[in-house]
Amino acid sequence: DTAVSQTPKYLVTQMGNDKSIKCEQNLGHDTMYWYKQDSKKFLKIMFSYNNKELIINETVPNRFSPKSPDKAHLNLHINSLELGDSAVYFCASSQALTGMNYGYTFGSGTRLTVV
Amino acid sequence: AQSVTQLDSQVPVFEEAPVELRCNYSSSVSVYLFWYVQYPNQGLQLLLKYLSGSTLVKSINGFEAEFNKSQTSFHLRKPSVHISDTAEYFCAVSAVAAGNKLTFGGGTRVLVKP
Repeated sequence: DTAVSQTPKYLVTQMGNDKSIKCEQNLGHDTMYWYKQDSKKFLKIMFSYNNKELIINETVPNRFSPKSPDKAHLNLHINSLELGDSAVYFCASSQALTGMNYGYTFGSGTRLTVV
Repeated sequence: AQSVTQLDSQVPVFEEAPVELRCNYSSSVSVYLFWYVQYPNQGLQLLLKYLSGSTLVKSINGFEAEFNKSQTSFHLRKPSVHISDTAEYFCAVSAVAAGNKLTFGGGTRVLVKP
């Protein structure tokens, strides 16, 4: 049983297209995240949702829109894709928004290539 | 705000030699500290964490890290590495006061040579 699963694993698309990445967790966690890892392996948080409520929204172009239909799912929709959006996108979940943080559980990533 | 600096971007090391990966953090509030490992073309796995208590924490595969509050460091060590330890290692910090947002360092690539 995969704890945090992302689909698709690979995504190749042309500039200007709209695409979505889906994430699901079966850990019972109440907080989910999207991170972007660039070509130099640098990881930066994009969004965080707690019980379907947006709590972290970093400086991200508004072409990126997260959506959480329930606390087990967090999807990422990207409009008008640009070459610079090429990266690996990781979904993660955790139990702690407040109190002790036992760490995040990460999905295996979605490698997005914009051509 | 919290920040993390990993001083070495790449560390080549021979098999069975020791390795140390350096991590320093900056924060005005109490933090939790983590090391994650990313094997090639895979996601991030939690290696070990410091939450409270003993400042020396250990993983099941021989890694250990020591929290040093005065030096704001959380260096990772392994006394004898294997080829299979070749991976990217990320130090990370979170703070309750910041909603437990996990902030990562830039990563250190460990390349174990036979």
